[in-house]
Amino acid sequence: NAGVTQTPKFQVLKTGQSMTLQCAQDMNHNSMYWYRQDPGMGLRLIYYSASEGTTDKGEVPNGYNVSRLNKREFSLRLESAAPSQTSVYFCASSEAIGGRQYFGPGTRLTVL
Amino acid sequence: GENVGLHLPTLSVQEGDNSIINCAYSNSASDYFIWYKQESGKGPQFIIDIRSNMDKRQGQRVTVLLNKTVKHLSLQIAATQPGDSAVYFCAGMFSGGYNKLIFGAGTRLAVHP
Repeated sequence: NAGVTQTPKFQVLKTGQSMTLQCAQDMNHNSMYWYRQDPGMGLRLIYYSASEGTTDKGEVPNGYNVSRLNKREFSLRLESAAPSQTSVYFCASSEAIGGRQYFGPGTRLTVL
Repeated sequence: GENVGLHLPTLSVQEGDNSIINCAYSNSASDYFIWYKQESGKGPQFIIDIRSNMDKRQGQRVTVLLNKTVKHLSLQIAATQPGDSAVYFCAGMFSGGYNKLIFGAGTRLAVHP
């Protein structure tokens, strides 16, 4: 049981480049989330998916898009990366919206 | 709006002592609180949770206390060990709007031998 997995672990982009962060969970959870974590701050919610087929904005959605590909997978896309998006990105899942969230190991993204 | 914050950014304790990490919140319409532990380079790891209809919950070496009157919760770690060194986050789930976890900024716990 791998839990929540994320790829890649590290990524360096140039300003304006695009990329997709991948997340998968094998716990049969309905809800999935994307957070960003900046130095000295707690996690901030970017987007979430309460159930397969639905996605909603969180606190800081600007500059990002998401796709809930199926029940297991939830991807985060940066269409045109900016230095302000340099951060550590965490994916999480929970059995249902409002429940305990389990986190992946994170993707450290640097935008130059 | 909702806000969750920790009182101290860092806490240093001696190995074997008890640790107490505090957290305050501003919204009374709270349903659920979680404490997470985050080690360097890793994702947050669930420690313990508590629902708003409880005052206290105990786990293995950890206890969470919730005081709804003063909107405060604390995480107590008994017999702190070097492996407890990490950043600890409290997070609250508030009713109304969408069900999202609001995270505090974190307290770094340093355990000295």
